[in-house]
Amino acid sequence: SYELTQPPSVSVSPGQTARITCSGDALPKKYAYWYQQKSGQAPVLVIYEDSKRPSGIPEKFSGSSSGTMATLTISGAQVEDEADYYCYSTDSSGNLWVFGGGTKLTVL
Amino acid sequence: EVQLVQSGAEVKKPGESLKISCKGSGYIFTSYWIGWVRQMPGKGLEWMGIIYPGDSDTRYSPSFQGQVTISADKSISTAYLQWSSLKASDTAMYYCARQNGSSWYYWGQGTLVTVSS
Repeated sequence: SYELTQPPSVSVSPGQTARITCSGDALPKKYAYWYQQKSGQAPVLVIYEDSKRPSGIPEKFSGSSSGTMATLTISGAQVEDEADYYCYSTDSSGNLWVFGGGTKLTVL
Repeated sequence: EVQLVQSGAEVKKPGESLKISCKGSGYIFTSYWIGWVRQMPGKGLEWMGIIYPGDSDTRYSPSFQGQVTISADKSISTAYLQWSSLKASDTAMYYCARQNGSSWYYWGQGTLVTVSS
């Protein structure tokens, strides 16, 4: 099996920068993707291929990856960014697709 | 506009069968992979499997192999997720999603399945 590990929770004050990490052994060779899921809603892609932002996603969302860790950064986090964030990737074979366990971002 | 519209909420008893659907529109249905994702109450996202409607190539996550069946009817642009014998532990929200490039970009609204005696 393959696992992606995220911290269960991250908390920041409004206006601060939130960083959410995702670690996995295959990340040096495989892209990371990040999804935002607000309560009662379907997931929304906020970062793809480590660091690219889909159309319509604010510039405050950025991504990076180095070695076995990918990071989602939310600059100037606001209350409306409160959500669960999930990383997604595949194992080294590309045949096993995995989500991280999710990180609950609290902005207060 | 690409849309994935899922069938409505279901309440079933243990042992019953169920087939939920995901209808694609606004694109060529046979040209993109569709995947299914489970989210149990209060828990995270889990990949179940994917299907390419063009040739019905289907792949399952090991945790779900043999537990569910994924299929598609390209004549009506609809993908399906089915169970032959539901368990209480199948109670969850189920999402379908469509690839766009390398990303799972488009998502359905979700179908809530409740299994209770």
